[in-house]
Formats: sequence, C-alpha cells, structure tokens
Amino acid sequence: GAGVSQSPSNKVTEKGKDVELRCDPISGHTALYWYRQRLGQGLEFLIYFQGNSAPDKSGLPSDRFSAERTGESVSTLTIQRTQQEDSAVYLCASSLNRAVTDTQYFGPGTRLTVL
Amino acid sequence: GDSVTQMEGPVTLSEEACLTINCTYTATGYPSLFWYVQYPGEGLQLLLKATKADDKGSNKGFEATYRKETTSFHLEKGSVQVSDSAVYFCALSPLNQAGTALIFGKGTTLSVSS
Repeated sequence: GAGVSQSPSNKVTEKGKDVELRCDPISGHTALYWYRQRLGQGLEFLIYFQGNSAPDKSGLPSDRFSAERTGESVSTLTIQRTQQEDSAVYLCASSLNRAVTDTQYFGPGTRLTVL
Repeated sequence: GDSVTQMEGPVTLSEEACLTINCTYTATGYPSLFWYVQYPGEGLQLLLKATKADDKGSNKGFEATYRKETTSFHLEKGSVQVSDSAVYFCALSPLNQAGTALIFGKGTTLSVSS
C-alpha cells in the first residue's frame, strides 16, 4: 500500500517568503507528526495531531510556524516569513496510535532551502 | 529532559566486519527504544525496537538489547554488507504511551566497502 507522501520534495525560497509543505499520511492512521532535521542534527519534533483532538504544538520553534490537519487526512505545515535558519529537511510521520509499540512511518521529507 | 546520545560517525568498515553503534539515553520512566535507518535517497525506516528492559529487537541481522542498568541500546551486527551503508538513528518514546513524539539521536553514518 501507499506510504506517507510529502510534497514538494524540494523547495527553494527567498528569505521573508511564506512556504507551505504538505503531508499525506497512510490511510487509517490517526496520528500525524511533523519533525525537522537540520544539517548534522537529529530530528526535532515540531507538532503532533491525533484525530480531532487539539494538536500538541509544543515543538514549534516560533509563531512563524503553524500546521493544520483536517480530520485524519492531509496536513500542511506553513512557515511564514522564512529565515535562513529554517533551512532543513521537514519530515512527516504517521501511525495507528493505538499502542506505544505502533510504528511511526516516515515520508521522504521536504528539503527546504532559504536563500 | 529526555535525550538520546549516539556515537558520532562516520563509521567506515569493510564488508563482513562486526558493527557496534553505541546509543545511550536519559529518560524518566520507562521509554520504548528504537533504531531507524535512512538509506541513501530514501526516507527513515524502522529497523528494530524494544519496549521494555531486557527486550532484544532484531531485524535484517541487526540486534539491540534494551539495557536499563546501563541506559543503553547499542546496535550490533556480526557481518555487515555494502548494502548496510546508511545513516542510523537511535530514538526513544519518552512516556511509553501512544501518541508521543520520538526523541532522536543525531545519527551515525555507516559506510561499508567491498
């Protein structure tokens, strides 16, 4: 079956512009996560959605970052007024979220470069 | 806060050599532990996991044992192949409950030559 997909795969933007990144989770997965991977660093948690519950936004680095998800479908991560330090690979993951042993399945990521 | 520390790479080995990638963690409570692998040009994939002390996760010839007494989850393989060349990430799920974001180490790059 289809895995987690993300678009675009690469995005180059100018400092100060807004960008929108998209994630399509695996069908039936109620949990969706966004992570960021900066060069030479591990993955940093950004935001977590579970069904229709209020999202856990505790990892968002600033108010320029926001994300939405409608029900258990597509999610978009928006970065406003991008800065050079926002350059990273943005990864989305989804899981069934019925037990702690449920695996998080990752998408291929969106590589964002802010010039 | 909770954290994961793994050995820095790159690790360069010849085919059929033994591999150990060290991973230690700091966590309150009893986390679940994971190894993810990222092959060149591909996304992160779960390699193996262990959910309680003394559990051993295994997959594709790789093994890791959850050691509570040393707070470690070292990744081992007895004989590596060129196809094992990838970046390996150790991670934990801090609260051992569903819906918890993973905390990752910085990754270790493994390069295996024939």
